[in-house]
Amino acid sequence: DTGVSQDPRHKITKRGQNVTFRCDPISEHNRLYWYRQTLGQGPEFLTYFQNEAQLEKSRLLSDRFSAERPKGSFSTLEIQRTEQGDSAMYLCASSLVYRVQGEQYFGPGTRLTVT
Amino acid sequence: ILNVEQSPQSLHVQEGDSTNFTCSFPSSNFYALHWYRWETAKSPEALFVMTLNGDEKKKGRISATLNTKEGYSYLYIKGSQPEDSATYLCAGRNFNKFYFGSGTKLNVKP
Repeated sequence: DTGVSQDPRHKITKRGQNVTFRCDPISEHNRLYWYRQTLGQGPEFLTYFQNEAQLEKSRLLSDRFSAERPKGSFSTLEIQRTEQGDSAMYLCASSLVYRVQGEQYFGPGTRLTVT
Repeated sequence: ILNVEQSPQSLHVQEGDSTNFTCSFPSSNFYALHWYRWETAKSPEALFVMTLNGDEKKKGRISATLNTKEGYSYLYIKGSQPEDSATYLCAGRNFNKFYFGSGTKLNVKP
């Protein structure tokens, strides 16, 4: 079991640039979540997928954010025209929808700094 | 949306002390309560999932209780050790979405 991995672990970018993050879930997990966590706050839901279908997207998420999960395996989160307010930890988690307990398994996160 | 709150925000204890934190959530629209431990530079690690009123779970020196009627959960650590230093997050689950509290940061001094 290799766990959930995220790449890169750290990203520094200039305001206005586009960035893309990748998440590789646990291989048999069919549900994948993206969260954003800022200092002093808990993870905030951004979006989630079941297999390749994006089932829900937070209303707080601007049009600059887009996520994909082609073929229901890895997922990417893209932020266009980054702003300083996008600086945060971006966490990915996966789970198996058929497990009653519904535990999520998290990756280590990608820390984004927008200068 | 579930408004999940945790207290205290941070806690400093000596090695060997026992401690506890609180997670409160609205008792309506509740499906499950999850506790996680998040150590610096690591992934959040699942500790417990609780669904039933009166649930008690235990893992080593850590235990948790759940009261769904009044909307709270307690996490207890008995005989804290320096390796227990981490942020403890709780999350209320409403079907497929998780709503996290802001966490309790525990620092255990040797």
